Amino acid sequence: TQLLEQSPQFLSIQEGENLTVYCNSSSVFSSLQWYRQEPGEGPVLLVTVVTGGEVKKLKRLTFQFGDARKDSSLHITAAQPGDTGLYLCAANAGNNRKLIWGLGTSLAVNP
Amino acid sequence: DTGVSQDPRHKITKRGQNVTFRCDPISEHNRLYWYRQTLGQGPEFLTYFQNEAQLEKSRLLSDRFSAERPKGSFSTLEIQRTEQGDSAMYLCASSLWEGGADTQYFGPGTRLTVL
Repeated sequence: TQLLEQSPQFLSIQEGENLTVYCNSSSVFSSLQWYRQEPGEGPVLLVTVVTGGEVKKLKRLTFQFGDARKDSSLHITAAQPGDTGLYLCAANAGNNRKLIWGLGTSLAVNP
Repeated sequence: DTGVSQDPRHKITKRGQNVTFRCDPISEHNRLYWYRQTLGQGPEFLTYFQNEAQLEKSRLLSDRFSAERPKGSFSTLEIQRTEQGDSAMYLCASSLWEGGADTQYFGPGTRLTVL
């Protein structure tokens, strides 16, 4: 069974702090996506990474795909209250399989 | 707006009633997914279609649940004889599967409350 483990499960920080969220697996994936979800809404795609070692930046968010394509991290610099939400990772094992989902990291950024 | 749309956004029903949800995917997308999500958890896979073919159903999908995508465009998810445990957010997503990254785009969801 392929699993995606996200850590931490919950995170509460003050505005201006930095944080990193992790998405780990023992399986190799062909691609991995990060989503952010606000209460009562569907997940919104942030980024897709496909190459081992790939780093993508989206304003204050930095995403990295592990060299072995088994793990990924999301780093937020100078967090703002608007970053509050549920961060989800999802990965594709290829071979026409459906996405595997992590359980999410619930982030609260306090003003 | 050319994103994924879902209807209705909210549904309140009494236990035992049937409900049907609709999803309109992004027009050029060939894959359509249904998920269920409870508060604070990630999406739980229910089923997915590639064009009009239903390729996989979760074992969590009881016989009371059925999904269709008759023309390979919009899809419906029906729940018969609803139970209180069916209360959740039902999410639809679509993707353009071309053999690479299966990047899914989500609709806003349908919030079901079973009384």
